[in-house]
Amino acid sequence: SQQGEEDPQALSIQEGENATMNCSYKTSINNLQWYRQNSGRGLVHLILIRSNEREKHSGRLRVTLDTSKKSSSLLITASRAADTASYFCATDEPYFSGNTGKLIFGQGTTLQVKP
Amino acid sequence: GAVVSQHPSRVICKSGTSVKIECRSLDFQATTMFWYRQFPKQSLMLMATSNEGSKATYEQGVEKDKFLINHASLTLSTLTVTSAHPEDSSFYICSARPLSAGYTEAFFGQGTRLTVV
Repeated sequence: SQQGEEDPQALSIQEGENATMNCSYKTSINNLQWYRQNSGRGLVHLILIRSNEREKHSGRLRVTLDTSKKSSSLLITASRAADTASYFCATDEPYFSGNTGKLIFGQGTTLQVKP
Repeated sequence: GAVVSQHPSRVICKSGTSVKIECRSLDFQATTMFWYRQFPKQSLMLMATSNEGSKATYEQGVEKDKFLINHASLTLSTLTVTSAHPEDSSFYICSARPLSAGYTEAFFGQGTRLTVV
């Protein structure tokens, strides 16, 4: 099952520009995470934001979470060609629902950063 | 950080044969592991939750007899695609999450590209 939409589906920018990706989800969550996937590879964890947090930073990454709108955004500042990848948000079930640890992924955004 | 190893990374098999994919957590114990399937340019679809010492929990629409999951130890889960057909060709990824004061990040295997000819 898919949790929700991500937009844009594809984003192409120049090196040095900022990239913003959005994610919406449908159910209550415990936390929301963002992952990166290089083509044909596994996923790498970028950042986790808990349901009681509104914003979080990690290096060039900034994540916001609006639980009232069931949405999150990932901002990559001063992008580099090496940031070219697909980015996915993933949500965690609330503990009270019998959380099994499974993550449900959004549709993903494919980011291309041109040198 | 924690490491999850998946093997093989790529396999080509003939239609009708079975293929086994292994997923190992190398430096932590995982009572549950997760198997995902990913089609080109699409997101990850959760197929099943692998439970150590008990039956796997399959997502709706996933054939349990087609995708056999075994989780025989706290560090190894296997996915066997039985009687594979071309439509089973896909990218399969496993993941596991260390449980320490609640679940945090997930660690993913490198993925297995299955091609059925």
